[in-house]
Amino acid sequence: QVQLVESGGGVVQPGRSLRLSCAASGFTFSTYSMHWVRQAPGEGLEWVAAISYDGVNKFYADSVKGRFTFSRDNSRSTLYLQMNSLRAEDTAVYYCAREGCSGGRCFFDYWGQGTLVTVSA
Amino acid sequence: QSVLTQPPSVSGAPGQRVTISCTGSSSNIGAGYDVHWYQHLPGTAPKLLIYANNNRPSGVPDRFSGSKSGTSASLAITGLQTEDEADYHCQSYDSSLSGYVFGAGTKVSVL
Repeated sequence: QVQLVESGGGVVQPGRSLRLSCAASGFTFSTYSMHWVRQAPGEGLEWVAAISYDGVNKFYADSVKGRFTFSRDNSRSTLYLQMNSLRAEDTAVYYCAREGCSGGRCFFDYWGQGTLVTVSA
Repeated sequence: QSVLTQPPSVSGAPGQRVTISCTGSSSNIGAGYDVHWYQHLPGTAPKLLIYANNNRPSGVPDRFSGSKSGTSASLAITGLQTEDEADYHCQSYDSSLSGYVFGAGTKVSVL
């Protein structure tokens, strides 16, 4: 069965860095585009970033562009989100999600349980 | 502020029907982009409930249905059950933002 397990969250001071990981299993990881989505306390879901199946194409929300870097290691079936210059507003639960498609229409078909990032002095 | 607008909460008695609206604009739902719905219980992984406006993944009960018209979409739950208590989020794509957008989520309570 498809499993996505995030790790690396924690408490970090503003301006510092943190790297999240997402370990995937139960499917052919190297053939799927993947995403990060976050949810700040009391807020809705917010898309953060996407990466193509081969890691060549990457897309970011304006709120993280230039600060976050999304990468993947297909040999390890693992995603990474390098988060630099962290701000208080980056505090959220971060989820990795798989992009599934049906008839050319794509959506987030599997999600992990999330890892909490708290940015605080 | 979320790009897609959902009511904060809806409630109903067991067995009743509830609907959740998701209102967007001409750069997302109104531009023809699909709407997808996710069910989310706090502390767990969100679950895909409806994809491409009105399609159910295997395993999702037919009590859940989706529709889309113009700049809005809606999720209906018929025969409401206690296990349906959760947060429900709509999602689409926005061409102005060049990114994926969500609603703020709607909390469904079973009275």
